[in-house]
Amino acid sequence: DVKVTQSSRYLVKRTGEKVFLECVQDMDHENMFWYRQDPGLGLRLIYFSYDVKMKEKGDIPEGYSVSREKKERFSLILESASTNQTSMYLCASSFLDGTEAFFGQGTRLTVV
Amino acid sequence: AQKITQTQPGMFVQEKEAVTLDCTYDTSDQSYGLFWYKQPSSGEMIFLIYQGSYDEQNATEGRYSLNFQKARKSANLVISASQLGDSAMYFCAMREREDTGNQFYFGTGTSLTVIP
Repeated sequence: DVKVTQSSRYLVKRTGEKVFLECVQDMDHENMFWYRQDPGLGLRLIYFSYDVKMKEKGDIPEGYSVSREKKERFSLILESASTNQTSMYLCASSFLDGTEAFFGQGTRLTVV
Repeated sequence: AQKITQTQPGMFVQEKEAVTLDCTYDTSDQSYGLFWYKQPSSGEMIFLIYQGSYDEQNATEGRYSLNFQKARKSANLVISASQLGDSAMYFCAMREREDTGNQFYFGTGTSLTVIP
């Protein structure tokens, strides 16, 4: 079975902190994605990566950065967390020409 | 323009009845894929069903079927014989091929509540 693992289910951070959300997949997928999910807004793409060290901005990249140093790992970084970044964060991966995206279990981040 | 539109924020259905969740999409590609995912309150995204744009028959997976109407650009999910465990958020999604590989676009979701 494909496994996409996010490092934390729940996270509470203070305003201004630097926050790292980690995602690891075990299926040698080329593509990895970070989405943010908010009620009424669905899933919005923050960043995606199609290869090691490659990244592309999604629809809402402001306030976020990403890192992909190894194929299996894709990190989302909140440089200086703010309360409006309180949300559910979902990582996903797929093959370059894959027909399906596989999701991690999600991280509920609260910034206080 | 929205790639995926789900116009039903919330739906209710009686247990054992069938329910249709609406989804329309917007693309100029000839080759694309359509998905439905289920998200229970625990938060994980569960893949339900897939329809390729060249598939002539509607996809079915157990109690789930995808009513694919290409000309109308709609991909409605039909759940037959609803169960209490079907209460969840449901997301419609579309896969498109971009220069950097496949991209997945999601709708805003429909919250389904199954009433005993």
